Amino acid sequence: DARVTQTPRDKVTEMGQEVTMRCQPILGHNTVFWYRQTMMQGLELLAYFRNRAPLDDSGMPKDRFSAEMPDATLATLKIQPSEPRDSAVYFCASGSSGGWNEQFFGPGTRLTVL
Amino acid sequence: RKEVEQDPGPFNVPEGATVAFNCTYSNSASQSFFWYRQDCRKEPKLLMSVYSSGNEDGRFTAQLNRASQYISLLIRDSKLSDSATYLCVVRDSWGKFQFGAGTQVVVTP
Repeated sequence: DARVTQTPRDKVTEMGQEVTMRCQPILGHNTVFWYRQTMMQGLELLAYFRNRAPLDDSGMPKDRFSAEMPDATLATLKIQPSEPRDSAVYFCASGSSGGWNEQFFGPGTRLTVL
Repeated sequence: RKEVEQDPGPFNVPEGATVAFNCTYSNSASQSFFWYRQDCRKEPKLLMSVYSSGNEDGRFTAQLNRASQYISLLIRDSKLSDSATYLCVVRDSWGKFQFGAGTQVVVTP
């Protein structure tokens, strides 16, 4: 049963520290999405990759966030320096490009910045 | 204005009853439409795609009205296990998914 995996599942850190979240998309999927979910904002798209190329990262605060896909099996989201307002659940999702292809979500990384 | 808007609810539904709710989207060029379900502290999961002709999956019926730019979901014979947040999702021509904030459904015994 193919799944998107994310590590770590939970992360507690102090303000100012670097945070790196990792995602392994489903093998064969060529699109990867990073979302952030909070109670107040719902699901926000942070970044979108197709065939490892970033297509849209307009939802991401550029000064502290960065997203990369070093290879087809790994996507990373980094926050440096982290701030308390970054506390949220970060989801990675993968899919195949094409109109009716759904995206599959990973279990998320619950980030708490103290 | 958000691209996808939903009534947040909660919709409190007695077990066995029918509940229906809509979402509206602003981008008339949207290509495909979905309902996802999200349980508390879990990831969203696809419930069903929404096709132009409308479609049914067991107790769930989805409708799309392109002219008025809204999507609906109807749940018949509600079960306790249907309690969740239902996310309306719209995909644009670039492949980006826009999520609504979700409609909470609470099915009560």
